[in-house]
Amino acid sequence: EAGVAQSPRYKIIEKRQSVAFWCNPISGHATLYWYQQILGQGPKLLIQFQNNGVVDDSQLPKDRFSAERLKGVDSTLKIQPAKLEDSAVYLCASSTLAGRNEQFFGPGTRLTVL
Amino acid sequence: QKEVEQDPGPLSVPEGAIVSLNCTYSNSAFQYFMWYRQYSRKGPELLMYTYSSGNKEDGRFTAQVDKSSKYISLFIRDSQPSDSATYLCAMIRAGNMLTFGGGTRLMVKP
Repeated sequence: EAGVAQSPRYKIIEKRQSVAFWCNPISGHATLYWYQQILGQGPKLLIQFQNNGVVDDSQLPKDRFSAERLKGVDSTLKIQPAKLEDSAVYLCASSTLAGRNEQFFGPGTRLTVL
Repeated sequence: QKEVEQDPGPLSVPEGAIVSLNCTYSNSAFQYFMWYRQYSRKGPELLMYTYSSGNKEDGRFTAQVDKSSKYISLFIRDSQPSDSATYLCAMIRAGNMLTFGGGTRLMVKP
């Protein structure tokens, strides 16, 4: 079974630029999550999708962050404009609706904002 | 105050030692408790999953939950250099929303 795929793996941008990250979840997983992990901290949930609808985006800074999950499969997370404090690893995870809803994580995208 | 507190370490132990990792939490709504392991430059992977007070064992790993004290632990027996990683406790409340601790970095020296 293929895991969660993310791209790019690394990105370096200047502050005030925009950036987008892509996630392809495990096939058949209805729920998709985006997390932000700042160095030395645990992941923090930004947004949760179920199929192509948003379940929770209460911790998403909506003035600069946006996310979409078209057709209930792939998802993109965008930051516009980026700030220095956005430097972090952005993790995508997916889970099924059944059972204990174990979340499977991708390798993450490491963003550096200069 | 954070909902989930975890000592960041680093924790350095010799190979073969018993390791104890701990988390405390403040929200009684948490229903399920997990431990994730995260190697450098990788995503977290699930190690242990429990939903009740008591112990759960899986090989060299034992997860312990004490809901009355709002305290969870992970014990690693016969620790190996390959166990060197960051260990994240995580908890779920309604809606399958995961709240992570800050992680403890473990180093097992040969």
